[in-house]
Amino acid sequence: SQQGEEDPQALSIQEGENATMNCSYKTSINNLQWYRQNSGRGLVHLILIRSNEREKHSGRLRVTLDTSKKSSSLLITASRAADTASYFCATASDMRFGAGTRLTVKP
Amino acid sequence: DTGVSQDPRHKITKRGQNVTFRCDPISEHNRLYWYRQTLGQGPEFLTYFQNEAQLEKSRLLSDRFSAERPKGSFSTLEIQRTEQGDSAMYLCASSFRFDSSYEQYFGPGTRLTVT
Repeated sequence: SQQGEEDPQALSIQEGENATMNCSYKTSINNLQWYRQNSGRGLVHLILIRSNEREKHSGRLRVTLDTSKKSSSLLITASRAADTASYFCATASDMRFGAGTRLTVKP
Repeated sequence: DTGVSQDPRHKITKRGQNVTFRCDPISEHNRLYWYRQTLGQGPEFLTYFQNEAQLEKSRLLSDRFSAERPKGSFSTLEIQRTEQGDSAMYLCASSFRFDSSYEQYFGPGTRLTVT
C-alpha cells in the first residue's frame, strides 16, 4: 500500500505565487522526504525532514511536519515556470510514494 | 561518479518475451531499489537490496519478476513472459545510510513498451 498520499492532486498557479501541497502518511516515521519529477524525467530529492523537526527551509522551499497529525506540507514561494512538475512525498522508513501533486506554474 | 545509470533507456518487446534491465548505482551506496511507474501515478515499490541481500519484495510483484544484485554493485531486473500490463517506466534508485536517513538518488528509468 502507498504510505505517502499527496493533496491536492493538481494545482495551477501564476508565476510569483506561492504553492502549498500536503502529504499524509499512516505509520510512525523517522523522517519524510519530498521529491520532484519533471515531465518524462527521473525523481530528484528536494528535502528531508526528521521526525523531531517541525519545520525546515531550503532556498524557496519550506517543509513542515506534524507527527501528531501524520502530515507534512511543502511550500514553494515565489514560484517559477520551471517549478512545473509533480511533487511526491515518501516516508523514509519504507519509501512508498503517493500519486503526487501535479503543479503547473503559468508564466 | 555521475549518478545512477540504467540501461536500456527504452525497450519495446512483444508479449511473451523476456526482458532484462540493468541498474548501476552510485558506487558507495549500499542500498538499491526498484520501482515501477505508470502515467499519472507515483513510483510503485517493487523490491530493494542492501548490498547483495534482497531484503524486501512487494507482494504485488508476480513470480514473473526477479531481481538480482550478485556482488552488491549493479542490479538486474528480469521480467519473464511479458504482458501488456507490464508496460511502464522502471526506475532504479540507490542510497547510503547517513545519520539514520536514506536519501534516494534515482536513475533516468527504463521505459518498457509491451506490444
